[in-house]
Amino acid sequence: KQEVTQIPAALSVPEGENLVLNCSFTDSAIYNLQWFRQDPGKGLTSLLLIQSSQREQTSGRLNASLDKSSGRSTLYIAASQPGDSATYLCAVANFGNEKLTFGTGTRLTIIP
Amino acid sequence: ETGVTQSPTHLIKTRGQQVTLRCSSQSGHNTVSWYQQALGQGPQFIFQYYREEENGRGNFPPRFSGLQFPNYSSELNVNALELDDSALYLCASSSPGTSGSLGTQYFGPGTRLTVL
Repeated sequence: KQEVTQIPAALSVPEGENLVLNCSFTDSAIYNLQWFRQDPGKGLTSLLLIQSSQREQTSGRLNASLDKSSGRSTLYIAASQPGDSATYLCAVANFGNEKLTFGTGTRLTIIP
Repeated sequence: ETGVTQSPTHLIKTRGQQVTLRCSSQSGHNTVSWYQQALGQGPQFIFQYYREEENGRGNFPPRFSGLQFPNYSSELNVNALELDDSALYLCASSSPGTSGSLGTQYFGPGTRLTVL
């Protein structure tokens, strides 16, 4: 059974700093890993998707890496802004599986 | 091309009642998945529909049921509501990936259900 863990549960950093969010998973037979952003009471916005054959993906100030052998992914946010404040969720899809397994998220607060 | 839409946005019910939530999938997608997200938790998989058939189910009781229609829109029905059913219900649409695995999922805005 796939289990996904995100640490820390909450993080506060001053505006302008670079930061890293962590995600770990127990079953390395993944098809892909996806990072989502969720604003309070809202749905999920996909940020980056990494296929199992890839090591990283980049979009603007965001960079996600994947290390299947160690069961880890990181989301790097450069030059943080107050608008980056949200909960960040990672989710994995396993081969031959019909569902995404989510972590519980990291609640990020950027302090102006 | 329209995204995934869900209705209603918010809903308040009392214990024991029944509720139906609706989801319209993104154009070209034939697979719809439903997730329940309790406050402070990650979304939990309820079930998935592919071409009008249930294609996998999470650890939810039979009072959670669903339908998918020929236009690939979907309904989630919950009978005999309990207080713990209060949550954000998310719908996601996708096309199947390779090797029968999950394609990229696109999420709707969710329906907030409150059970009193």
